Amino acid sequence: SQQGEEDPQALSIQEGENATMNCSYKTSINNLQWYRQNSGRGLVHLILIRSNEREKHSGRLRVTLDTSKKSSSLLITASRAADTASYFCATAPGGGADGLTFGKGTHLIIQP
Amino acid sequence: NAGVTQTPKFRVLKTGQSMTLLCAQDMNHEYMYWYRQDPGMGLRLIHYSVGEGTTAKGEVPDGYNVSRLKKQNFLLGLESAAPSQTSVYFCASSQARGGETQYFGPGTRLLVL
Repeated sequence: SQQGEEDPQALSIQEGENATMNCSYKTSINNLQWYRQNSGRGLVHLILIRSNEREKHSGRLRVTLDTSKKSSSLLITASRAADTASYFCATAPGGGADGLTFGKGTHLIIQP
Repeated sequence: NAGVTQTPKFRVLKTGQSMTLLCAQDMNHEYMYWYRQDPGMGLRLIHYSVGEGTTAKGEVPDGYNVSRLKKQNFLLGLESAAPSQTSVYFCASSQARGGETQYFGPGTRLLVL
């Protein structure tokens, strides 16, 4: 079953603008991760935020986590054409279970 | 350091044929995973391994078998391929348990006719 659900399913913005994607999940988690997938490629890990953290930054990426609402957001600032990709949130269940549960992804298009 | 590699990159099978997908990692990771990705969907876990000689079922294990005879390799087998197994298959590995950061291979596209 899909644990995480990203919103929106697709997003198109102009280069230089900020892009925000949201992820909601259903059960308790150990951590939440965001991955990027360029067309026809494997997934690349972007950032991991643990259940006891509220916000994390990495370069132009900012991730927030609200465990009370079971939601997370990924903000990409000053977008570039190279940011065009699909972005997936993935949750790791609490209790140390193995494997990640992925959402269906947000397809981001950056218009030059 | 090649990371995670997958063989083959693309394969066409006829219904009922068998094949094995190979995943190799050179990061000395304990944990390895096989996922499938269907159009418009996220990845779904097929099988995983928490160490050499161990395997376990994921969310969608039916129709697949796996083996982890060597720490660096994780094999995914289809004994009798079905059109429903047409998908892109990704292998991943991680150093720690509990859903820590996973490193993905480039994927294998499989078409079952």
